[in-house]
Amino acid sequence: DGGITQSPKYLFRKEGQNVTLSCEQNLNHDAMYWYRQDPGQGLRLIYYSQIVNDFQKGDIAEGYSVSREKKESFPLTVTSAQKNPTAFYLCASSIGAEAGQETQYFGPGTRLLVL
Amino acid sequence: ILNVEQSPQSLHVQEGDSTNFTCSFPSSNFYALHWYRWETAKSPEALFVMTLNGDEKKKGRISATLNTKEGYSYLYIKGSQPEDSATYLCAYSGGSNYKLTFGKGTLLTVNP
Repeated sequence: DGGITQSPKYLFRKEGQNVTLSCEQNLNHDAMYWYRQDPGQGLRLIYYSQIVNDFQKGDIAEGYSVSREKKESFPLTVTSAQKNPTAFYLCASSIGAEAGQETQYFGPGTRLLVL
Repeated sequence: ILNVEQSPQSLHVQEGDSTNFTCSFPSSNFYALHWYRWETAKSPEALFVMTLNGDEKKKGRISATLNTKEGYSYLYIKGSQPEDSATYLCAYSGGSNYKLTFGKGTLLTVNP
Protein backbone atom coordinates (compact mmCIF):
# COMPACT_ATOMS: atom_id res chain seq x y z
CA ASP A 1 0.00 0.00 0.00
CA GLY A 2 1.34 3.40 -0.93
CA GLY A 3 1.16 6.15 1.63
CA ILE A 4 2.75 8.22 4.33
CA THR A 5 3.60 6.88 7.74
CA GLN A 6 4.43 8.87 10.84
CA SER A 7 5.80 7.55 14.08
CA PRO A 8 5.28 7.52 16.91
CA LYS A 9 1.58 8.30 17.29
CA TYR A 10 2.24 9.91 20.69
CA LEU A 11 5.53 11.33 21.90
CA PHE A 12 6.47 12.74 25.27
CA ARG A 13 9.24 15.26 25.69
CA LYS A 14 10.99 16.25 28.86
CA GLU A 15 12.22 19.78 29.46
CA GLY A 16 15.45 20.49 27.59
CA GLN A 17 15.21 17.38 25.47
CA ASN A 18 15.36 17.15 21.68
CA VAL A 19 12.91 14.72 20.07
CA THR A 20 12.64 13.52 16.49
CA LEU A 21 9.40 12.76 14.65
CA SER A 22 9.60 10.31 11.80
CA CYS A 23 7.91 10.72 8.40
CA GLU A 24 8.28 8.16 5.60
CA GLN A 25 6.56 8.00 2.22
CA ASN A 26 6.59 5.36 -0.50
CA LEU A 27 4.72 7.44 -3.07
CA ASN A 28 7.92 8.43 -4.90
CA HIS A 29 7.08 12.09 -4.21
CA ASP A 30 9.79 14.74 -4.45
CA ALA A 31 8.21 17.31 -2.12
CA MET A 32 7.58 16.83 1.59
CA TYR A 33 6.18 19.11 4.29
CA TRP A 34 5.80 19.43 8.06
CA TYR A 35 2.80 21.20 9.58
CA ARG A 36 1.81 21.97 13.14
CA GLN A 37 -1.78 22.19 14.40
CA ASP A 38 -2.79 23.94 17.60
CA PRO A 39 -6.35 24.12 18.95
CA GLY A 40 -8.40 26.76 17.13
CA GLN A 41 -5.73 27.37 14.51
CA GLY A 42 -5.18 26.31 10.93
CA LEU A 43 -2.31 24.08 9.89
CA ARG A 44 0.93 26.08 9.94
CA LEU A 45 3.93 25.19 7.80
CA ILE A 46 7.15 24.46 9.70
CA TYR A 47 9.51 23.28 6.95
CA TYR A 48 9.22 21.95 3.43
CA SER A 49 11.55 20.18 1.04
CA GLN A 50 11.22 20.28 -2.73
CA ILE A 51 13.90 17.71 -3.39
CA VAL A 52 16.47 15.54 -1.66
CA ASN A 53 19.23 17.46 0.17
CA ASP A 54 17.24 20.70 0.04
CA PHE A 55 14.72 22.22 2.44
CA GLN A 56 13.19 25.62 3.18
CA LYS A 57 11.83 27.27 6.31
CA GLY A 58 8.09 27.68 6.52
CA ASP A 59 6.20 30.20 8.64
CA ILE A 60 7.14 28.85 12.08
CA ALA A 61 10.57 27.18 11.73
CA GLU A 62 12.13 28.54 14.93
CA GLY A 63 13.00 25.73 17.36
CA TYR A 64 12.76 23.01 14.71
CA SER A 65 15.23 21.33 12.37
CA VAL A 66 14.86 18.88 9.49
CA SER A 67 16.96 16.78 7.16
CA ARG A 68 16.25 15.27 3.74
CA GLU A 69 18.97 12.73 3.06
CA LYS A 70 16.65 10.28 1.31
CA LYS A 71 13.69 10.91 -0.98
CA GLU A 72 11.34 8.86 1.17
CA SER A 73 12.24 10.31 4.56
CA PHE A 74 11.83 13.78 6.12
CA PRO A 75 12.39 13.64 9.90
CA LEU A 76 11.56 16.65 12.07
CA THR A 77 13.53 17.40 15.24
CA VAL A 78 11.86 19.50 17.91
CA THR A 79 14.73 21.11 19.77
CA SER A 80 14.87 22.45 23.31
CA ALA A 81 14.70 25.94 21.77
CA GLN A 82 11.04 25.34 20.89
CA LYS A 83 9.38 26.67 24.02
CA ASN A 84 5.85 25.55 23.25
CA PRO A 85 6.16 22.21 21.48
CA THR A 86 2.87 20.66 22.60
CA ALA A 87 0.88 20.25 19.38
CA PHE A 88 -0.27 17.84 16.70
CA TYR A 89 2.28 17.43 13.90
CA LEU A 90 1.33 16.40 10.37
CA CYS A 91 3.66 15.36 7.58
CA ALA A 92 2.63 15.55 3.94
CA SER A 93 4.07 14.92 0.51
CA SER A 94 3.31 15.89 -3.09
CA ILE A 95 4.62 14.95 -6.50
CA GLY A 96 6.82 18.02 -6.69
CA ALA A 97 6.29 19.10 -10.27
CA GLU A 98 3.64 21.80 -10.00
CA ALA A 99 4.33 23.51 -6.69
CA GLY A 100 1.26 25.08 -5.08
CA GLN A 101 -1.17 23.44 -7.48
CA GLU A 102 -0.39 19.93 -6.28
CA THR A 103 -2.52 17.82 -4.02
CA GLN A 104 -0.76 17.11 -0.74
CA TYR A 105 -1.09 13.67 0.83
CA PHE A 106 -1.02 13.59 4.61
CA GLY A 107 0.17 11.13 7.20
CA PRO A 108 -1.80 10.22 10.34
CA GLY A 109 0.07 12.68 12.58
CA THR A 110 2.07 12.62 15.80
CA ARG A 111 0.86 14.23 19.00
CA LEU A 112 3.72 15.68 21.04
CA LEU A 113 3.22 16.31 24.73
CA VAL A 114 5.61 17.91 27.19
CA LEU A 115 6.10 16.27 30.59
CA ILE B 1 0.89 37.22 6.81
CA LEU B 2 -1.79 35.87 4.50
CA ASN B 3 -5.33 35.59 5.83
CA VAL B 4 -7.46 32.64 4.82
CA GLU B 5 -10.83 32.78 6.54
CA GLN B 6 -13.43 30.05 6.69
CA SER B 7 -17.03 30.40 7.79
CA PRO B 8 -18.89 29.21 9.66
CA GLN B 9 -16.52 27.73 12.26
CA SER B 10 -18.96 24.91 12.88
CA LEU B 11 -22.26 23.71 11.54
CA HIS B 12 -24.85 21.16 12.64
CA VAL B 13 -27.29 19.87 10.01
CA GLN B 14 -29.80 17.07 9.75
CA GLU B 15 -29.30 14.11 7.44
CA GLY B 16 -30.61 15.02 4.00
CA ASP B 17 -30.03 18.76 4.37
CA SER B 18 -27.89 20.54 1.82
CA THR B 19 -25.27 22.90 3.14
CA ASN B 20 -22.43 25.16 2.08
CA PHE B 21 -19.38 26.85 3.58
CA THR B 22 -17.17 29.71 2.53
CA CYS B 23 -13.44 30.21 2.18
CA SER B 24 -12.10 33.71 1.60
CA PHE B 25 -8.52 34.44 0.59
CA PRO B 26 -6.35 37.24 -0.84
CA SER B 27 -7.37 37.99 -4.42
CA SER B 28 -3.88 39.15 -5.41
CA ASN B 29 -1.17 36.72 -6.56
CA PHE B 30 -3.65 33.85 -6.68
CA TYR B 31 -2.18 30.52 -7.78
CA ALA B 32 -4.45 27.76 -6.45
CA LEU B 33 -7.13 26.98 -3.88
CA HIS B 34 -7.34 23.57 -2.21
CA TRP B 35 -10.17 21.89 -0.30
CA TYR B 36 -9.48 19.01 2.10
CA ARG B 37 -11.75 16.87 4.27
CA TRP B 38 -10.42 15.80 7.67
CA GLU B 39 -12.36 13.14 9.51
CA THR B 40 -11.68 12.49 13.17
CA ALA B 41 -8.79 10.04 13.74
CA LYS B 42 -7.91 10.05 10.05
CA SER B 43 -5.55 11.99 7.78
CA PRO B 44 -6.72 15.03 5.81
CA GLU B 45 -7.88 13.92 2.38
CA ALA B 46 -7.86 16.07 -0.76
CA LEU B 47 -11.20 17.01 -2.31
CA PHE B 48 -10.34 19.60 -4.96
CA VAL B 49 -7.57 21.78 -6.32
CA MET B 50 -8.89 24.79 -8.21
CA THR B 51 -6.83 27.17 -10.27
CA LEU B 52 -9.02 29.17 -12.67
CA ASN B 53 -11.56 31.89 -11.94
CA GLY B 54 -15.02 30.42 -12.41
CA ASP B 55 -13.80 26.85 -11.85
CA GLU B 56 -16.45 24.43 -10.66
CA LYS B 57 -15.48 20.99 -9.44
CA LYS B 58 -17.70 18.09 -8.38
CA LYS B 59 -17.09 14.81 -6.57
CA GLY B 60 -20.27 12.88 -5.86
CA ARG B 61 -22.53 15.04 -3.67
CA ILE B 62 -19.77 17.59 -3.02
CA SER B 63 -19.03 20.50 -5.31
CA ALA B 64 -16.98 23.69 -5.16
CA THR B 65 -16.84 27.00 -6.96
CA LEU B 66 -14.08 29.56 -7.23
CA ASN B 67 -14.05 33.34 -7.64
CA THR B 68 -10.45 34.55 -7.74
CA LYS B 69 -11.33 38.17 -8.53
CA GLU B 70 -13.25 38.65 -5.28
CA GLY B 71 -11.27 36.04 -3.35
CA TYR B 72 -13.75 33.40 -2.26
CA SER B 73 -14.66 29.76 -2.79
CA TYR B 74 -17.82 27.90 -1.79
CA LEU B 75 -18.06 24.23 -0.91
CA TYR B 76 -21.51 22.66 -1.28
CA ILE B 77 -22.73 19.34 0.07
CA LYS B 78 -26.02 18.08 -1.32
CA GLY B 79 -28.13 15.77 0.83
CA SER B 80 -25.71 15.55 3.76
CA GLN B 81 -25.07 12.12 5.26
CA PRO B 82 -23.61 11.28 8.70
CA GLU B 83 -20.41 10.11 6.98
CA ASP B 84 -19.92 13.67 5.70
CA SER B 85 -19.22 14.74 9.29
CA ALA B 86 -15.68 16.13 9.25
CA THR B 87 -13.65 19.31 9.30
CA TYR B 88 -13.39 20.90 5.88
CA LEU B 89 -10.19 22.83 5.28
CA CYS B 90 -9.35 25.24 2.52
CA ALA B 91 -5.79 26.24 1.64
CA TYR B 92 -4.52 29.05 -0.56
CA SER B 93 -1.42 29.10 -2.70
CA GLY B 94 -0.22 32.59 -3.55
CA GLY B 95 2.62 31.87 -5.89
CA SER B 96 4.57 29.28 -7.81
CA ASN B 97 6.13 27.84 -4.68
CA TYR B 98 5.15 24.98 -2.47
CA LYS B 99 3.64 26.87 0.41
CA LEU B 100 -0.03 26.54 1.30
CA THR B 101 -1.78 28.77 3.83
CA PHE B 102 -4.63 26.94 5.54
CA GLY B 103 -7.82 28.30 7.04
CA LYS B 104 -8.99 27.12 10.47
CA GLY B 105 -11.62 24.87 8.94
CA THR B 106 -15.37 24.38 9.18
CA LEU B 107 -16.50 21.53 11.43
CA LEU B 108 -19.58 19.86 9.97
CA THR B 109 -21.73 17.53 12.06
CA VAL B 110 -24.55 15.69 10.30
CA ASN B 111 -27.15 14.29 12.67
CA PRO B 112 -28.98 11.10 11.62
